[in-house]
Amino acid sequence: DAGVIQSPRHEVTEMGQEVTLRCKPISGHDYLFWYRQTMMRGLELLIYFNNNVPIDDSGMPEDRFSAKMPNASFSTLKIQPSEPRDSAVYFCASSPQGYEGKAFFGQGTRLTVV
Amino acid sequence: EDQVTQSPEALRLQEGESSSLNCSYTVSGLRGLFWYRQDPGKGPEFLFTLYSAGEEKEKERLKATLTKKESFLHITAPKPEDSATYLCAVQDLDSSYKLIFGSGTRLLVRP
Repeated sequence: DAGVIQSPRHEVTEMGQEVTLRCKPISGHDYLFWYRQTMMRGLELLIYFNNNVPIDDSGMPEDRFSAKMPNASFSTLKIQPSEPRDSAVYFCASSPQGYEGKAFFGQGTRLTVV
Repeated sequence: EDQVTQSPEALRLQEGESSSLNCSYTVSGLRGLFWYRQDPGKGPEFLFTLYSAGEEKEKERLKATLTKKESFLHITAPKPEDSATYLCAVQDLDSSYKLIFGSGTRLLVRP
């Protein structure tokens, strides 16, 4: 398996634009997590899904952020409109049922909003 | 509120110089404590899971231990390739399956 695949690896956008980050989890994994990492706040959980259903979105900072998982092999995190303070590295991770703490992370998407 | 505090923030060691990283945590009930390693430009990589006080896990030069309030990651005779940021995270029994991460310890091992 190729692991968790995220795209794009880097994204530079202007303030106010819509940004969509994509994730393909490891096949057979039931849990999918979206994290954000910054120097100031470290690694924070934004939302996670179990069997494509959102379970906990308490970490989503504002209504500008939304996440979907239309099927077991694909998820998106959308920011609309984007702001400079959204600049961060966004990670997607997945884990199999029963091993929820052992997450397999993707390489991340470095987002810069100018 | 769940909290994870890691110390030191940064640690420089000579190759072969053993040391320990600390992770102090506060949770209402511990489901598990996890150690991850993160290399620059990459996502965190899972190392260990610890579930109860007194438990220990080992992998090569790394050994993780757990008490009711903290965990230690002991690094024995480190090599330059052990240089990375080491992250500690906890899962609270009351907080679904979310991981609460500490800010990490940046380890540099010089040859």
